[in-house]
Amino acid sequence: TQLLEQSPQFLSIQEGENLTVYCNSSSVFSSLQWYRQEPGEGPVLLVTVVTGGEVKKLKRLTFQFGDARKDSSLHITAAQPGDTGLYLCAGAASNDYKLSFGAGTTVTVRA
Amino acid sequence: DAGVIQSPRHEVTEMGQEVTLRCKPISGHNSLFWYRQTMMRGLELLIYFNNNVPIDDSGMPEDRFSAKMPNASFSTLKIQPSEPRDSAVYFCASSLYSRAVTGELFFGEGSRLTVL
Repeated sequence: TQLLEQSPQFLSIQEGENLTVYCNSSSVFSSLQWYRQEPGEGPVLLVTVVTGGEVKKLKRLTFQFGDARKDSSLHITAAQPGDTGLYLCAGAASNDYKLSFGAGTTVTVRA
Repeated sequence: DAGVIQSPRHEVTEMGQEVTLRCKPISGHNSLFWYRQTMMRGLELLIYFNNNVPIDDSGMPEDRFSAKMPNASFSTLKIQPSEPRDSAVYFCASSLYSRAVTGELFFGEGSRLTVL
């Protein structure tokens, strides 16, 4: 059973369109991380959010942590083929060494 | 820094054979994790080391799996005997911090294992 549920599982869009990926849980997390994994490589950290309601922007990517710290979203504006990959959210409880990973959302951006 | 280095990148073996996967973490990182990734189950934590000591091995599937970290710069994950259901991509990751709240995980490129 995944502690973190990601939706949708797959997303295929045309270059220039916007997309949103969701990460939900019934548990409260002290922090939430988003990773992107490209084929044949390991996941790479995009951002960490730690405060309820926090919004962080990374170029065309906007990350939001829910007020109750149980959910998060990733919004990509004007997606480009280089945004293609598996997006993983991962939550950490306070004082825990473990990250709980969601199953991931596979994003494909068509040129 | 070269990042986390894993070997081999690909391994194809027959059922019953021993498989050894290797990992060199980033220098100075005191936390090391072994993960397994499959389409069905996603990323699963197998074992966690802190300062070379195994802290949590509850994710190791069964006695066929074992992991060691003889020093701060090397770790191995061994499967003996291997079975087809062990086919997956195995990732090693290291972190500077022992608390996940503050620590970024740096992943290697993975070892893709196929057991025939």
